[in-house]
Amino acid sequence: GEDVEQSLFLSVREGDSSVINCTYTDSSSTYLYWYKQEPGAGLQLLTYIFSNMDMKQDQRLTVLLNKKDKHLSLRIADTQTGDSAIYFCAENGSGNTGKLIFGQGTTLQVKP
Amino acid sequence: EAQVTQNPRYLITVTGKKLTVTCSQNMNHEYMSWYRQDPGLGLRQIYYSMNVEVTDKGDVPEGYKVSRKEKRNFPLILESPSPNQTSLYFCASSFWGQETQYFGPGTRLLVL
Repeated sequence: GEDVEQSLFLSVREGDSSVINCTYTDSSSTYLYWYKQEPGAGLQLLTYIFSNMDMKQDQRLTVLLNKKDKHLSLRIADTQTGDSAIYFCAENGSGNTGKLIFGQGTTLQVKP
Repeated sequence: EAQVTQNPRYLITVTGKKLTVTCSQNMNHEYMSWYRQDPGLGLRQIYYSMNVEVTDKGDVPEGYKVSRKEKRNFPLILESPSPNQTSLYFCASSFWGQETQYFGPGTRLLVL
């Protein structure tokens, strides 16, 4: 079945790079996404990658996709305290329902 | 401003008291859906709608109803809420087939 897995917690020091990892099972996914949820807030789409791409860079964010291993990662360069949030990996599920399949979310803690 | 709005944002209720969470979007999107977010489980789809009068079950539809009488609105109805429906609820919308879905700010529900 469709499943997306993430580690639950990551702690880094301000200024370091953060790497959040995600694995998924549905090889037919067209798009893979990273969403950010700040405390008490809604979901903000950070970035997404088309399944035929290996990498996408957007300012401090780098997304790497290894389709063979079904592995997606989000690297945040020069991590700031404002990056502290929950990060969700998601894929668009199969079956033409428009459904997004979300991971459990990774809580990123940035220490000053 | 293009947005998805939800009301109420916070709600405390008691078991069995019917409630409705409203969702409205001003982007003329055909596709709308509801998710619930629970710790350690990520977001799971409750119901979705591909257009007016077209709705279908997501992964966790038990205990919920929806309707889509107008394109802009997609209310979530809990006929007889139970404590296991205590959760954070998100509404989302998009043009059908578009890679980006827009999420509302969330509704935090506590059922006592």
